[in-house]
Amino acid sequence: EPEVTQTPSHQVTQMGQEVILRCVPISNHLYFYWYRQILGQKVEFLVSFYNNEISEKSEIFDDQFSVERPDGSNFTLKIRSTKLEDSAMYFCASSTQHPTSGNTDTQYFGPGTRLTVL
Amino acid sequence: GENVEQHPSTLSVQEGDSAVIKCTYSDSASNYFPWYKQELGKRPQLIIDIRSNVGEKKDQRIAVTLNKTAKHFSLHITETQPEDSAVYFCAAGTYYGQNFVFGPGTRLSVLP
Repeated sequence: EPEVTQTPSHQVTQMGQEVILRCVPISNHLYFYWYRQILGQKVEFLVSFYNNEISEKSEIFDDQFSVERPDGSNFTLKIRSTKLEDSAMYFCASSTQHPTSGNTDTQYFGPGTRLTVL
Repeated sequence: GENVEQHPSTLSVQEGDSAVIKCTYSDSASNYFPWYKQELGKRPQLIIDIRSNVGEKKDQRIAVTLNKTAKHFSLHITETQPEDSAVYFCAAGTYYGQNFVFGPGTRLSVLP
């Protein structure tokens, strides 16, 4: 069964450094998402991406964050200048939908990247 | 925006008993309600979902009910097993795969 994959599994960085988290969504999926989960807390939506542009973003997704689909398979989240409070598990997810039926919007999550900012 | 509340925050049941987790949401535009199970250190995995045109959905030992008027939905697990132990998150969103708002989670412990 196809799965969303993410690399690296764990990223340690110094405060103020840039990080890029990588995701490979399921190949026939059209929508891509980033979520984060601070340790012991709930999953929080960051951004959704469709047709090579951001569809929706949350208040968390400020100017320090950006997303890109640099090629046909990868979907990346960049944090320009990391802060201590950016330490969290970052999950990528993808879904496919059929606009005419509105039938399939199940989001499948990747295994996550644990980001630790020192 | 949408706000999702979830109760209880922790739940312990004896193996074989039933477990019920309840969620409420605030945005009447939400029409898709997935439930995710997250085992320690692992990704959230979808276990069941329900859409607003359905009041109840069942998949083996798991069922979900939705009351759109009252804006609440519940997860029911029957004949619980130790491997059901995990954190369960409800979420609310719209059909077109956009911004899901997650509840704070319920830690379910099934005691042998």
